[in-house]
Amino acid sequence: GNSVTQMEGPVTLSEEAFLTINCTYTATGYPSLFWYVQYPGEGLQLLLKATKADDKGSNKGFEATYRKETTSFHLEKGSVQVSDSAVYFCALSRANDYKLSFGAGTTVTVRA
Amino acid sequence: NAGVTQTPKFQVLKTGQSMTLQCAQDMNHNSMYWYRQDPGMGLRLIYYSASEGTTDKGEVPNGYNVSRLNKREFSLRLESAAPSQTSVYFCASSEKGNRDTGELFFGEGSRLTVL
Repeated sequence: GNSVTQMEGPVTLSEEAFLTINCTYTATGYPSLFWYVQYPGEGLQLLLKATKADDKGSNKGFEATYRKETTSFHLEKGSVQVSDSAVYFCALSRANDYKLSFGAGTTVTVRA
Repeated sequence: NAGVTQTPKFQVLKTGQSMTLQCAQDMNHNSMYWYRQDPGMGLRLIYYSASEGTTDKGEVPNGYNVSRLNKREFSLRLESAAPSQTSVYFCASSEKGNRDTGELFFGEGSRLTVL
């Protein structure tokens, strides 16, 4: 079946540090891949997505590249801010299957 | 824009009590979902409704029932609550069958505690 594995947190960083959150997946066919973010007390919201191999999704300074050869979709940001403190979820959906499978989530705390 | 609205936001139940979580979306989406979020386990799909008039089980349906009342509303019912159902519940909606987006729109969550 489909599954997503994320690096375990929590992750604590200082402002302006580089952030990487690893995500690997298992799926048949060619899934679409997503990163969702959950700010404290809120629901999840889409951060970025990629629908085919070698696509790069980007938003708010975050980037992730769909790597089919390594079945990965790692999230990166070059210089984090306190406002980036949140829980980040990697997710996938298969073609013709609109349900999403989520990873366990990674809690990121950025300190001033 | 309201988006996805869930009620109640907080609820405390005793074991064996029943309750219904309500969800409504105003985006004219075909598909709606109920997830639960537990520490270290991410989001797990309880039930979903691909379109009005249909419902299907997700990963963890035991102990729950759902009703797709109309295109806007999708409710989740706990008939006899158990402490293992203590969780944060999220309703979400999306367009059906659009592989290029797959984007879910989430409500703010309902925190349920079963004593």
